[in-house]
Amino acid sequence: AQSVTQLDSQVPVFEEAPVELRCNYSSSVSVYLFWYVQYPNQGLQLLLKYLSGSTLVKGINGFEAEFNKSQTSFHLRKPSVHISDTAEYFCAVSENKAGGTSYGKLTFGQGTILTVHP
Amino acid sequence: EAGVVQSPRYKIIEKKQPVAFWCNPISGHNTLYWYRQNLGQGPELLIRYENEEAVDDSQLPKDRFSAERLKGVDSTLKIQPAELGDSAVYLCASSLGGRTDTQYFGPGTRLTVL
Repeated sequence: AQSVTQLDSQVPVFEEAPVELRCNYSSSVSVYLFWYVQYPNQGLQLLLKYLSGSTLVKGINGFEAEFNKSQTSFHLRKPSVHISDTAEYFCAVSENKAGGTSYGKLTFGQGTILTVHP
Repeated sequence: EAGVVQSPRYKIIEKKQPVAFWCNPISGHNTLYWYRQNLGQGPELLIRYENEEAVDDSQLPKDRFSAERLKGVDSTLKIQPAELGDSAVYLCASSLGGRTDTQYFGPGTRLTVL
C-alpha cells in the first residue's frame, strides 16, 4: 500500500514570491506521481504528472515539480506566484504495476492550502 | 468539450434518509471513479468502473452504499440510510483508461447529513 504526506497544511506567501509545496510518499513498488489543484467549489484539476524519464516535470500555470527517488519526494515549485494561484493543492500517487485491483487508483495527500497575499 | 457533470451540487438530508448522486463522465471515457473527500482531507477512492464492471470496490461500505453504471456511461452512487459521518464531498472522475491516464474530476456533490 502507498501513502502520501504533505508536510504543510497551509502556506501563506506574498504575490511574486517563490513557493514550494512539499510532498513525500511511501510505497513498496514504483509509483507515478501527480499534483492536482482545487479552486473553491470546483473539481480537482491536474497540474502535472511524473511517469518516467526526466525527474523535473513542468506543468500548467508555471508550476514544476522534481521527483527525488532517494528522498521519496515530489515537491511542487513556482518561481513567482500570483493572487490567482490561491487554492488547495493535492499530491497523489498511483502504483506503477500492471494488473491488480489498485490499477489506476490514486492515493492523495491531505492537501496544502496556498494563500497568496497582495 | 463538456467536463464531468455531477448533480446535485449540494444536498442536505436528515440521518437515516436515502440519498443519490449522479455523474455523467466525459464522452468516450471508459473508466469512472467515485471518491469521497472529508473536510480537510484528500479524496479517497470508493469505487472504480471499467465500462459497466466495478473492478475495485474494496473501499465502498457495502452495508449502506451502492453504485451502478448502466450502459457504461452515467453512474449513480446511493447511500441508504445516511449517517452523520457520511457528510462529505462526493467526487466523480473519469479517464480514457490505463494506469497513467489523467483522471478528470467533476465539481462534486457536497452532502450534509443532519
